[in-house]
Amino acid sequence: QKEVEQNSGPLSVPEGAIASLNCTYSDRGSQSFFWYRQYSGKSPELIMFIYSNGDKEDGRFTAQLNKASQYVSLLIRDSQPSDSATYLCAVKGGYSTLTFGKGTMLLVSP
Amino acid sequence: GAVVSQHPSWVICKSGTSVKIECRSLDFQATTMFWYRQFPKQSLMLMATSNEGSKATYEQGVEKDKFLINHASLTLSTLTVTSAHPEDSSFYICSAREDNRDYGYTFGSGTRLTVV
Repeated sequence: QKEVEQNSGPLSVPEGAIASLNCTYSDRGSQSFFWYRQYSGKSPELIMFIYSNGDKEDGRFTAQLNKASQYVSLLIRDSQPSDSATYLCAVKGGYSTLTFGKGTMLLVSP
Repeated sequence: GAVVSQHPSWVICKSGTSVKIECRSLDFQATTMFWYRQFPKQSLMLMATSNEGSKATYEQGVEKDKFLINHASLTLSTLTVTSAHPEDSSFYICSAREDNRDYGYTFGSGTRLTVV
């Protein structure tokens, strides 16, 4: 059974700090990896995806992938109170379905 | 950008009745759409994969006769919750994958279903 693990949090950081969110996955055949942000009562919105080992940067967000360690992370620089949400890691395997982790709640205090 | 419209946003129904939820890709074709269910403080659980013109593929433990999925066109998939019961109350979210874009998964805004 494919599993995606995330620390449920909450992860609390002060405004302006770097928030680091982590995710591990069990299926070595996983091909691509997604980070979504979900506000309470809303549907997920895509932050970014990554499919190659290494780092991928998009504005304040950096995704890091290490396939050997089956580990993917998301760094949020200069965290803002508006970044407070639940961050979902999703993994795509051989088929087109995404498997989601339970999410990490991030709280950014002013 | 890609937009997926999901209706209704919320619905309250009586126990034993049926509810239909629509998921529509507005500006792209989606041969494949997905239906998820999310209970409070839980993650998204995939219920089924909907493919245009063919039968949906249901995940283990999801009753296909209770959750009817129809994907009659490249832009529309519907989920009908039949004979709803209070335990079916949940947040239902659809997602559409853009054809020819491996990373193009866009979510609808979700439907909050309450069965009383």
